[in-house]
Amino acid sequence: AQTVTQSQPEMSVQEAETVTLSCTYDTSESDYYLFWYKQPPSRQMILVIRQEAYKQQNATENRFSVNFQKAAKSFSLKISDSQLGDAAMYFCAYAASGTYKYIFGTGTRLKVLA
Amino acid sequence: DAGVIQSPRHEVTEMGQEVTLRCKPISGHNSLFWYRQTMMRGLELLIYFNNNVPIDDSGMPEDRFSAKMPNASFSTLKIQPSEPRDSAVYFCASSLRLGRTGGELFFGEGSRLTVL
Repeated sequence: AQTVTQSQPEMSVQEAETVTLSCTYDTSESDYYLFWYKQPPSRQMILVIRQEAYKQQNATENRFSVNFQKAAKSFSLKISDSQLGDAAMYFCAYAASGTYKYIFGTGTRLKVLA
Repeated sequence: DAGVIQSPRHEVTEMGQEVTLRCKPISGHNSLFWYRQTMMRGLELLIYFNNNVPIDDSGMPEDRFSAKMPNASFSTLKIQPSEPRDSAVYFCASSLRLGRTGGELFFGEGSRLTVL
């Protein structure tokens, strides 16, 4: 069975600094997708970044980038120049190609300190 | 587009009462999901609809839970009778592309249910 593990329940970062959130997953599939979702206090989950497993290049979206290590089954999220608005729960998620089942991690709460 | 719209945003009810949660997916999306989020269990998929047809309801915890999607623009999740352990945030999400294209899930703001 596929699993997603986020080992950091909580992280803190100083405003303008860089922080990395960890995520590991387990799967026997070769074709899949990985996601980072942000859940601010307003509760609505928003996609931050997406990575296709067949792409070797790490995805980047403005201040957000990932370090995708397929062999190690690792998918970390780096947030550069952290802003107060980045404070939220961050969920790592996995979905095998051809399926509708998204597997979510337990989340990492990110605090941004002014 | 207005995004996925859920109502009510908050619901407080007493044990034994019927609860109905509503969802309007993004226009044109053909996949709809109901999730439940709790501290203990995280995000759990309750049911998945594709083109208004329930495809997988294996996550529905008990017969007390039922979901319908009468048309492409509306879905309901009903709990009857409700119990305190049903207290959670219920999310509706929709998507256009799934499967091979790894489509993004668009979530609503959730309905926080408290059963006393």
